[in-house]
Amino acid sequence: EAGVTQSPTHLIKTRGQQATLRCSPISGHTSVYWYQQALGLGLQFLLWYDEGEERNRGNFPPRFSGRQFPNYSSELNVNALELEDSALYLCASSWKATNEKLFFGSGTQLSVL
Amino acid sequence: QQPVQSPQAVILREGEDAVINCSSSKALYSVHWYRQKHGEAPVFLMILLKGGEQKGHEKISASFNEKKQQSSLYLTASQLSYSGTYFCGTEGYAGGTSYGKLTFGQGTILTVHP
Repeated sequence: EAGVTQSPTHLIKTRGQQATLRCSPISGHTSVYWYQQALGLGLQFLLWYDEGEERNRGNFPPRFSGRQFPNYSSELNVNALELEDSALYLCASSWKATNEKLFFGSGTQLSVL
Repeated sequence: QQPVQSPQAVILREGEDAVINCSSSKALYSVHWYRQKHGEAPVFLMILLKGGEQKGHEKISASFNEKKQQSSLYLTASQLSYSGTYFCGTEGYAGGTSYGKLTFGQGTILTVHP
């Protein structure tokens, strides 16, 4: 069984550009979560999607957005990139909405120059 | 609000025990524990639901005190493979703003030496 896959593995952008990160959950999982892991700051909750809807979001500005497609894959978009957006972005999926273990992907390392 | 983990770092010799604590200022419905090795994705260890149930996973177990809004992770007879960063994640009750929002602590770095 394939795990959670994220693409690209690495992404280099310049300040002000837009970045698009993609995530494919484990087959059968309907919930997708996005986390930002900046150096020394742990895992910061970004967004939660379930059944195609945004269910909750963390304390991030609106330039962080995303969506979930009918096949449950998800996309995270970061507009007007800032230097402090440089981080590892992790996607996780679970088979039900809450109180279920998360399976994490290996992440996309975003570097903003 | 982010749960608080303590200690921030632990150094052990193989075979020693360790306890990692996780505290929240909000009412909790569940607590998750994950381990992340350097350069890898976090891996699920266990989830505890309200009720103070203690769970075990090999030589790693955990407890959840709902009234105190605290959880502890117990690692006994540590092995080299236990090295990594341990994160607790907390989730609130349905209807609250933190429902479905698994918020992680800052992590505890565990290093096990031979």
